[in-house]
Parts: sequence; C-alpha cells; structure tokens
Amino acid sequence: DAGITQSPRHKVTETGTPVTLRCHQTENHRYMYWYRQDPGHGLRLIHYSYGVKDTDKGEVSDGYSVSRSKTEDFLLTLESATSSQTSVYFCAISEAQGETEAFFGQGTRLTVV
Amino acid sequence: QKEVEQNSGPLSVPEGAIASLNCTYSDRGSQSFFWYRQYSGKSPELIMSIYSNGDKEDGRFTAQLNKASQYVSLLIRDSQPSDSATYLCALSTGTASKLTFGTGTRLQVTL
Repeated sequence: DAGITQSPRHKVTETGTPVTLRCHQTENHRYMYWYRQDPGHGLRLIHYSYGVKDTDKGEVSDGYSVSRSKTEDFLLTLESATSSQTSVYFCAISEAQGETEAFFGQGTRLTVV
Repeated sequence: QKEVEQNSGPLSVPEGAIASLNCTYSDRGSQSFFWYRQYSGKSPELIMSIYSNGDKEDGRFTAQLNKASQYVSLLIRDSQPSDSATYLCALSTGTASKLTFGTGTRLQVTL
C-alpha cells in the first residue's frame, strides 16, 4: 500500500468554524491532490500540488485553501465550514505527470452541523 | 454532458460469470485511463491502468481502450462475491495527472 496517511479520519464540526485536514505521504511523490466524494457526484478535485509551495485549484475549490510547506505534507483548510462541505475527503498522490498512477489515502469523513 | 459517463447499476452477475463494465468520455485529449475499485466505506483502490488502444490483461481483469470511439471498459472474468464493489472509471488529461472520475458502477456478484 502507498504510504499515505490522512488525519483526522472522522470529524464533526460546527458551521462557521475553521477545519484543517492533513495528508502525509512517505513516498516522496511530487504530486498531491485533495478530492471530495459525494453521492451522485463521484470524486471531484478540490486542489492539487505539483511541488513544495506550488498549488493550483481544481473543479470545486471555492471555500477551500491548501498549503504544502514540505514534500510529505499537504493540508486542506476550510476557512469557515458550511453544511455543503459535509463530505468524504480523499488525499491522493502521484509520482509524475503523464502515464502514471495515483494512489489514495483512507479518507476523512467530515460532518458540518 | 458529463466528462466521464458510467452506468450507475447495480450490475448483477452470477458467481463465475464475466462482468463487463463500460465507460465513455468526452475529452479526446484524454491520455491515461484507470479503473478503481471502491468497497463501501473504503478508499478507491487502483486495479488497472491503460494508456494505448487495445486490451491490457492482469489476472482476471482486462481493460479495453478505444480512443476513436471514446470508450474504455473493464472485464472481470470468473467473478467472485469479493468483486462486489463500486468500480470507478477515471481519466487523466493534460498536466499534473489530475483525474476526472465517473460516478461509478456498482457491481453485485451473486452466489
């Protein structure tokens, strides 16, 4: 299994509070991604990183920010959580672009009440 | 039109039969194609990748890619109850290997 650890695995938070999810990898892969998974929508890309301090937006980036200060860590922050951000969040890593595969972490189930 | 289309299922096949899962896509620039398996409550697990037209076999799994017709399929031979899961089709286009997913097909293998 790819060395990807997400924390926390489960979190319940209140509307309007900030939340940070962490993804830690031991594979030294260049690319890291945050996806969310919702019924009827499948997996959708939130943000991704192509190197330390290099990040870009994905399909559903509104309300989210990310940071990558070290190769191994990629943080996803919800500045002010809303109920629409209740979802399962997955981190993924990939070694390179092009013909290369992505591997997923265990996921974080976030509930905003 | 969604970028990646899959029939949501459930697709029900008897144990030992061949399960055929299909996926169509709209972006002709797509370069890499993947099949992930996801058990309920678990994370997606990569089972096949395919990058060129034709068939690619790995054990009981065969991925088929036809770029001209813009479809990719996954065949599972000798289906087992443990194959019961949701199968996600994904493709990668352009830089940074960003993946676009279909909504998945739920497969049920019956005894």
